[in-house]
Amino acid sequence: GAVVSQHPSWVICKSGTSVKIECRSLDFQATTMFWYRQFPKQSLMLMATSNEGSKATYEQGVEKDKFLINHASLTLSTLTVTSAHPEDSSFYICSATHRGLTYEQYFGPGTRLTVT
Amino acid sequence: GNSVTQMEGPVTLSEEAFLTINCTYTATGYPSLFWYVQYPGEGLQLLLKATKADDKGSNKGFEATYRKETTSFHLEKGSVQVSDSAVYFCALSDRGTQGGSEKLVFGKGTKLTVNP
Repeated sequence: GAVVSQHPSWVICKSGTSVKIECRSLDFQATTMFWYRQFPKQSLMLMATSNEGSKATYEQGVEKDKFLINHASLTLSTLTVTSAHPEDSSFYICSATHRGLTYEQYFGPGTRLTVT
Repeated sequence: GNSVTQMEGPVTLSEEAFLTINCTYTATGYPSLFWYVQYPGEGLQLLLKATKADDKGSNKGFEATYRKETTSFHLEKGSVQVSDSAVYFCALSDRGTQGGSEKLVFGKGTKLTVNP
């Protein structure tokens, strides 16, 4: 149980276009979902926290107008990278917390974004 | 702020060797501590956790003990296998307010390579 999926697993887009990444909790209701960014040989950096039905809370330095997060239901959150540029190329990872469990996050497999 | 420091890699061992990956933390309050593992091409998986001082988390032959006096949570395994080759992340999570969601703070990760 406690499986989180992401789609797509990898995507290549042209500079200036937008790309949407989906994060789904497959077998549980996720009260909160998190979006991380991972640079090569670096740790995961939290970008934002999203609760179902409310606006996401962004970490300092993360542009909320560039990285749009929507948490429409208890099983789905989306991250849209708007007007992507090559420096947005990275590995994006979501995680979700399980209603009823405390302080554990289940991670998706990640999405590799390459902006050309 | 809260932070996690773990030994820099990469670490290269022969099969059946003893493994230690050091992790120390700085935090206010009483965080829970975690080790995550990221196998090549996959997302992070929770390896083990400890939620209070002196707790020992264990899984798949790996162990880590929550040492409040030394603010450490070192990962150990007595005999590593080739299949243990992965990147290991130490992380902490504050308990926060009751019912609140947690933020995970990660170390930079340590890449382990086990040779036959």
